Amino acid sequence: QLVLTQSPSASASLGASVKLTCTLSSGYSSFAITWHQQQPEKGPRYLMKVNSDGSHNRGDGIPDRFSGSSSGAERYLTISSLQSADEGDYYCQTWVTGMRVFGGGTRLTVL
Amino acid sequence: QVQLVESGGGLVKPGGSLRLSCAASGFIFSDYYMNWIRQAPGKGLEWISFISRSGNDIYYADSVKGRFTISRDNAKNSLFLQMNNLRAEDTAVYYCARENVATGTSDSWGQGTLVTVSS
Repeated sequence: QLVLTQSPSASASLGASVKLTCTLSSGYSSFAITWHQQQPEKGPRYLMKVNSDGSHNRGDGIPDRFSGSSSGAERYLTISSLQSADEGDYYCQTWVTGMRVFGGGTRLTVL
Repeated sequence: QVQLVESGGGLVKPGGSLRLSCAASGFIFSDYYMNWIRQAPGKGLEWISFISRSGNDIYYADSVKGRFTISRDNAKNSLFLQMNNLRAEDTAVYYCARENVATGTSDSWGQGTLVTVSS
């Protein structure tokens, strides 16, 4: 069964870096995922696609402070030089024929 | 620029029906797959339905199968979600999102429309 697992929360200081993790369930470690950001009281925004080889493609207008990487079944989103506007929920997503799947989301607090 | 605008949300009684629309602009609508995704109050994102470019391939999450129907009108750049037999647990903000056929990425989202199911 295709499942994406995310830690419920993360925090980091203003100006620092944070690395969020999304773990693919067993048997799906070769899958690409996408990251989406949801700021408080707003709709989601596409950030990037992260492939199993660690390559990533940011969406239009997404600053290079946001980067992606991979290791095995884990896909990462690293945000550097944290700003207050980065606070919000971050969701990973993947897909198979017949289904799209979201992780439970990670709430990022910028201290 | 790419724009997706949902409409049609509102308050409906349990067992009632509602039809959501998503108006697309700024891109060639027929070149993209489309999805409906919802978010219950205080909860995460839940994918509920997919439709291919032509509408020939359609998928639903188990939570809405048999009650919701997705459709599209490429001539009018519009996506629809017919929701029947609504339940309290269908209360959510409903988003439409376009999906890039080549990359599989949901790379643009609407702002959402709120559906409240309550007596």
